[in-house]
Amino acid sequence: DVKVTQSSRYLVKRTGEKVFLECVQDMDHENMFWYRQDPGLGLRLIYFSYDVKMKEKGDIPEGYSVSREKKERFSLILESASTNQTSMYLCASSADRGLTDTQYFGPGTRLTVL
Amino acid sequence: AQKVTQAQTEISVVEKEDVTLDCVYETRDTTYYLFWYKQPPSGELVFLIRRNSFDEQNEISGRYSWNFQKSTSSFNFTITASQVVDSAVYFCALSGRAAGNKLTFGGGTRVLVKP
Repeated sequence: DVKVTQSSRYLVKRTGEKVFLECVQDMDHENMFWYRQDPGLGLRLIYFSYDVKMKEKGDIPEGYSVSREKKERFSLILESASTNQTSMYLCASSADRGLTDTQYFGPGTRLTVL
Repeated sequence: AQKVTQAQTEISVVEKEDVTLDCVYETRDTTYYLFWYKQPPSGELVFLIRRNSFDEQNEISGRYSWNFQKSTSSFNFTITASQVVDSAVYFCALSGRAAGNKLTFGGGTRVLVKP
C-alpha cells in the first residue's frame, strides 16, 4: 500500500511566523505535490516536484516555497504566514510523470493562522 | 486550459437510496484521464477510479458505477444502495497534456447519507 504521511494533522500559527509542513512517502515515487483545499474551490496546486532538488510552480505559488532534498520528503514552507493561508494542506505523490499517474494523498494538515 | 465542474455542492439521501454525482469537464486534449476521489471525514483523499479518454465503457465496482460520455464531456458517478459510510466529499479530476499533466479538480460534492 502507498503510504503518504504528513507531520501534523492540526497546526495553529501566528501571523508572520515561518511555517514548515512536512510530507513523506514510502513508495519511492518520483513525483510529489502540495495542494491547498478550500470550501467550494476544490484542490488547488501550490507546487510540485518531479525529482530531487527540482521544483515547479503550480497554480497558486505566491506566499509559498518548497524543498525536496530527498526523494521521499517534500516540504512546504510559508515564509511569513498570513491569515489568508488558513486552509487544509494536502500532500500527494505519484509514481511517474505520465498522464496515467494516479496521485496518492496524505491525511492533510489543517493550518490555522491567527 | 482545462476545467472540471461539479455542479452539486451537497446531496442528502436516506440510506439505501441511489445517488448520482455529476461531473462535467472541459479540455482541448484528445488524450486525457479522468479520476474520482473520495474524502471521508478523516480528511485523506482516497483514489476510486481512473479512466482514459479512449475507453467509454461504463465501469462497475461493487456498489459504485461510472458513466463516461465523451459526447457530453461528462463522467458521472453513481452509488447504488447508499450506506452511511458513503458520507464524504467526492472529487472529480482531470489530467491532460494541455495542463502539463497536472490534475485539475472540481469543487467537490458533499454526500450525506442519513440512516
